[in-house]
Amino acid sequence: DQQVKQNSPSLSVQEGRISILNCDYTNSMFDYFLWYKKYPAEGPTFLISISSIKDKNEDGRFTVFLNKSAKHLSLHIVPSQPGDSAVYFCAASAGGTSYGKLTFGQGTILTVHP
Amino acid sequence: DSGVTQTPKHLITATGQRVTLRCSPRSGDLSVYWYQQSLDQGLQFLIQYYNGEERAKGNILERFSAQQFPDLHSELNLSSLELGDSALYFCASSLGSSGNTIYFGEGSWLTVV
Repeated sequence: DQQVKQNSPSLSVQEGRISILNCDYTNSMFDYFLWYKKYPAEGPTFLISISSIKDKNEDGRFTVFLNKSAKHLSLHIVPSQPGDSAVYFCAASAGGTSYGKLTFGQGTILTVHP
Repeated sequence: DSGVTQTPKHLITATGQRVTLRCSPRSGDLSVYWYQQSLDQGLQFLIQYYNGEERAKGNILERFSAQQFPDLHSELNLSSLELGDSALYFCASSLGSSGNTIYFGEGSWLTVV
């Protein structure tokens, strides 16, 4: 039972354009969502998070949108840069004592072409 | 560099053996988490410790155990190893037990042959 799904295994965009990575979840108990970036042979690097009380959070070039009714979140990267090329994971947590029990999606490989 | 240190980085061992993976959390972080990344299962939560006590448990096998010591470092013990235990094991840490960013280490590659 995959509670967090990233349906696009890969995404290719041109440098300077917007990258939009999508994530769907099924567990209505999830109330905290995170995006991580991962390079091969390295650990996931935290990018941005959002609590269920918000519908948008921005940090520089990264914006996360949360649609609770649709159980959907997305990460927007504007403008995309070649250094953004990596695997992006969304993760969700139910909060409380389950806060650290992150459930990860399968990841989306982002390739940004110069 | 996340500040979370894991050793060893790579480990090759035979089936039936026992190994210990070590993790030093970021300075000041009280929570330590262990995750397993395998090709077929993706990133899966194993267990969390907070200030020395077990706080949450995931799909951790009975052959696996963990602990967090008074100096807050943590060890993950894997015993009676099987080929399917080959994976990348990540340690992560956060300041508290909720509401704080979770930072991951670079992982320990375990290959069981």
